[in-house]
Amino acid sequence: DMKVTQMPRYLIKRMGENVLLECGQDMSHETMYWYRQDPGLGLQLIYISYDVDSNSEGDIPKGYRVSRKKREHFSLILDSAKTNQTSVYFCASSLSINTGQLYFGEGSKLTVL
Amino acid sequence: AQSVTQPDARVTVSEGASLQLRCKYSYSGTPYLFWYVQYPRQGLQLLLKYYSGDPVVQGVNGFEAEFIKSNSSFHLRKASVHWSDSAVYFCAVSEGNYKYVFGAGTRLKVIA
Repeated sequence: DMKVTQMPRYLIKRMGENVLLECGQDMSHETMYWYRQDPGLGLQLIYISYDVDSNSEGDIPKGYRVSRKKREHFSLILDSAKTNQTSVYFCASSLSINTGQLYFGEGSKLTVL
Repeated sequence: AQSVTQPDARVTVSEGASLQLRCKYSYSGTPYLFWYVQYPRQGLQLLLKYYSGDPVVQGVNGFEAEFIKSNSSFHLRKASVHWSDSAVYFCAVSEGNYKYVFGAGTRLKVIA
């Protein structure tokens, strides 16, 4: 079954706390992404991972870091969360860097109080 | 830099009516073009994609889109909408590498 799974789906944190969002895919896709979605702004790319331990900043990486130790797993970490990081975060994967079509998870809604 | 404009933030149509959702992009070459749909509390799902060839591409659930290079457009169409088509639709463009640029989305509401 081709699936991208995100955990947790909903998360409430206080400003300054650390946040870990996890993403897994069962398709052995090389490339994985983290986006955030805000009303009226579409999706903004935070980080991209080309494969294990091969990560690159996207358009809005400030305040985030990522980890990819296994091909099927990609984590987004917020060290000391800020209220402006309240958003819906989507993980996605694609077969390779040059292959179209992204496969998305169902999203993780993060609220930072 | 690439950009994608979806000029209509919200569209309301009656069930059974035809639909067009507009998308215009800015890119100097020939892009890879996509339409994705997002149902409530779900991730984005691919509706259709254009890489090359026939400028009219067919997608799932009766959707189609036409690539018009001279107009830098990739509008989404459906002949007869159903209430279950209510969702948010995103147009996206890629250079054929990792980088995708998404429009802000159009929220479609289908009414009885």
